[in-house]
Amino acid sequence: DTGVSQNPRHKITKRGQNVTFRCDPISEHNRLYWYRQTLGQGPEFLTYFQNEAQLEKSRLLSDRFSAERPKGSFSTLEIQRTEQGDSAMYLCASSREIYEQYFGPGTRLTVT
Amino acid sequence: DQQVKQNSPSLSVQEGRISILNCDYTNSMFDYFLWYKKYPAEGPTFLISISSIKDKNEDGRFTVFLNKSAKHLSLHIVPSQPGDSAVYFCAAIYQGAQKLVFGQGTRLTINP
Repeated sequence: DTGVSQNPRHKITKRGQNVTFRCDPISEHNRLYWYRQTLGQGPEFLTYFQNEAQLEKSRLLSDRFSAERPKGSFSTLEIQRTEQGDSAMYLCASSREIYEQYFGPGTRLTVT
Repeated sequence: DQQVKQNSPSLSVQEGRISILNCDYTNSMFDYFLWYKKYPAEGPTFLISISSIKDKNEDGRFTVFLNKSAKHLSLHIVPSQPGDSAVYFCAAIYQGAQKLVFGQGTRLTINP
């Protein structure tokens, strides 16, 4: 039983560049979530997919952020024109039931 | 607007003793609560949960207590082991919502 995987694990980029992260959920999970975590804080919700439909987006998800889950399996999170404030750990989670979400190892983004 | 609060940023406990981590919430709509454990450079790992219809849930060395009237929950770890040293996050969710709302976390250190 493989868990949630995320790639890359670390990404360093220059301000203004675009970055894309990938998440592969647990295979039988139809729900997929993206969260962001900054230092000293708990994860904050960004967006939620049920199968391929993006059903909820946080106000934290500005126009520069876009997420997709094209075939209801893996998902991508793209950040355009990165800013230093985007530096954070980006976490993906999946679940079969609503309540218990299982997290991947995260992608740490550093914007210089 | 911090709906879930963990007021102790850190806790130090001697190996073999009981660790008690606390969490308070403000939103009375929350009906399910979870504890996650996080090691450095890893994603949060689900530990234990409790529904609002219960006041206690036990799993091995871990017990979660819920006091709905006080809007307070706690995680007890007995006996504490060195491998329990991690950051612990309390999270809450309510039926109909998709996102977990996390506290800021408590760093638990178990001393030999």
